[in-house]
Amino acid sequence: ETGVTQTPRHLVMGMTNKKSLKCEQHLGHNAMYWYKQSAKKPLELMFVYSLEERVENNSVPSRFSPECPNSSHLFLHLHTLQPEDSALYLCASSQKTRPQETQYFGPGTRLLVL
Amino acid sequence: GENVEQHPSTLSVQEGDSAVIKCTYSDSASNYFPWYKQELGKRPQLIIDIRSNVGEKKDQRIAVTLNKTAKHFSLHITETQPEDSAVYFCAASKERGDTGRRALTFGSGTRLQVQP
Repeated sequence: ETGVTQTPRHLVMGMTNKKSLKCEQHLGHNAMYWYKQSAKKPLELMFVYSLEERVENNSVPSRFSPECPNSSHLFLHLHTLQPEDSALYLCASSQKTRPQETQYFGPGTRLLVL
Repeated sequence: GENVEQHPSTLSVQEGDSAVIKCTYSDSASNYFPWYKQELGKRPQLIIDIRSNVGEKKDQRIAVTLNKTAKHFSLHITETQPEDSAVYFCAASKERGDTGRRALTFGSGTRLQVQP
């Protein structure tokens, strides 16, 4: 796949595990996002990184820890998650140059917390 | 913060009919309104977007209208086909400051089913 890729595509973890989700964009964008998509709920913005700096954090629990080492990579570190954290986690990227602001999504990581 | 409401939550139409999905937003400063289509098991894909300086935009069978005064925008799909069946999400965002930073607030989605 090209554009925005995410690994792994599926993840099952116990509540005591530590895992990381990875997102990589090949579009030359300079902003990246994490969204959570739960069943029957709108996509929820979790974090926004612009030029590798976290610029938005929507009151996400501390058991989710993002990391953006460079403009092409974004990680979401997970630890001591709860079953209600089971969801599809989507990464997106965009180029923060006016007026274009289109966000392109990755395929998502489907997470199941047991 | 911004709040986006989307209706209906499900919509079933016959092939060839038109489909309309409506969204309202709360923040009058929002100025960018994209629509995403998400097929089962796939990522959301941008299908059309509109900015607050225009009232309507068309792309083949898809059109979006924006009423800034009423703070609502709609997606119109004409001559629907079975492959249009998917979940459609509207979103709204505004630019924050000189840095151009913005984040999308999504509606709850509309599941469109086109019956052949």
